[in-house]
Amino acid sequence: SQTIHQWPATLVQPVGSPLSLECTVEGTSNPNLYWYRQAAGRGLQLLFYSVGIGQISSEVPQNLSASRPQDRQFILSSKKLLLSDSGFYLCAWTVGSYGYTFGSGTRLTVV
Amino acid sequence: QQQVKQSPQSLIVQKGGISIINCAYENTAFDYFPWYQQFPGKGPALLIAIRPDVSEKKEGRFTISFNKSAKQFSLHIMDSQPGDSATYFCAATSGSARQLTFGSGTQLTVLP
Repeated sequence: SQTIHQWPATLVQPVGSPLSLECTVEGTSNPNLYWYRQAAGRGLQLLFYSVGIGQISSEVPQNLSASRPQDRQFILSSKKLLLSDSGFYLCAWTVGSYGYTFGSGTRLTVV
Repeated sequence: QQQVKQSPQSLIVQKGGISIINCAYENTAFDYFPWYQQFPGKGPALLIAIRPDVSEKKEGRFTISFNKSAKQFSLHIMDSQPGDSATYFCAATSGSARQLTFGSGTQLTVLP
């Protein structure tokens, strides 16, 4: 069966520290992968998407970057976190169909 | 520019009542319109979806109504239950990469 793993579930990081969030998908090949951010009580904002290894498209210019080193691995990074980077980060995937499957999310608090 | 507008922001319904959430879009390239349900601390889960060549789709207590000419679509939850209390997002997708554009969300509370 197809599953998506996202970790860690929660993270508290100081301002200026680096960030690495990882997402992996199992049971499928060549998925489209997405990173979304959800601020408290707000909607979902698309940050990055990838249609293949090494292919990254950015939707919003910001303090974050993404990489896809393997077919089913998607990483969200930052060199120096800002307070405004706090939020709920969600990874999602889709393959050939129209429906997204979301991971369980990472709650990031920058202090 | 917000491409999918969702209303209301919050909704309170009595148990057994009908919950109605509305969305409007601008981009005529959208070709798939899903609704997602999100519980606190969880990722959104696909609830029901519709293609623009269909005016209505029903799955159990959940119905999507779609008006292509008006560029509007809505979610109806019949016989609403306290367990339906969650945040609901409409969305629309287009393009080969199937990027989803979300509405701002509706927090639904169903009173027992």
